Amino acid sequence: GQQLNQSPQSMFIQEGEDVSMNCTSSSIFNTWLWYKQDPGEGPVLLIALYKAGELTSNGRLTAQFGITRKDSFLNISASIPSDVGIYFCAGVNTGNQFYFGTGTSLTVIP
Amino acid sequence: DTGVSQNPRHKITKRGQNVTFRCDPISEHNRLYWYRQTLGQGPEFLTYFQNEAQLEKSRLLSDRFSAERPKGSFSTLEIQRTEQGDSAMYLCASSWRGNQPQHFGDGTRLSIL
Repeated sequence: GQQLNQSPQSMFIQEGEDVSMNCTSSSIFNTWLWYKQDPGEGPVLLIALYKAGELTSNGRLTAQFGITRKDSFLNISASIPSDVGIYFCAGVNTGNQFYFGTGTSLTVIP
Repeated sequence: DTGVSQNPRHKITKRGQNVTFRCDPISEHNRLYWYRQTLGQGPEFLTYFQNEAQLEKSRLLSDRFSAERPKGSFSTLEIQRTEQGDSAMYLCASSWRGNQPQHFGDGTRLSIL
């Protein structure tokens, strides 16, 4: 099945630094979602975006729905150790089909 | 909100055996999805139900796989004659409507010996 391209594949950062990651697709989506997955657990929804250009925050997390509708961005400010995990984007098309990204693995060094 | 529940959390079986997983979605959600996830990859869509109707199946879902949602509540995913390549995490998710975010269970990790 189709998987969206996420970048970077992995990140190693110092605690307190800001993080940026993105997700791109060759297809247009109507909804973009960002999930975080911890080892041995299922993905947990972080942010949902429903309109092109939309910028939404959830605490230290901010995500944007790209104006081309083919990309989305997630920023984490002032990272903390519990931010460690794998972050997945997901795009939803007009047929309500969900496609997930390949994931960005985040490691926060105390 | 009790969340999506999946059982068992882990399953180890010998190649060739049949296995069945169960998913209990969030109670008011009428859509239920099954995904497979292998190491280093995002979830890959297998199939989904709207109430009791199975509306779409991925090409990943071979003839050895079958899913049911008999009363529009819980769902089961059965794999017959398991193969080494079936080893993966099987995730279930539910949503209220088709374009609403899906909420995931913690998955069933299947290991084939």
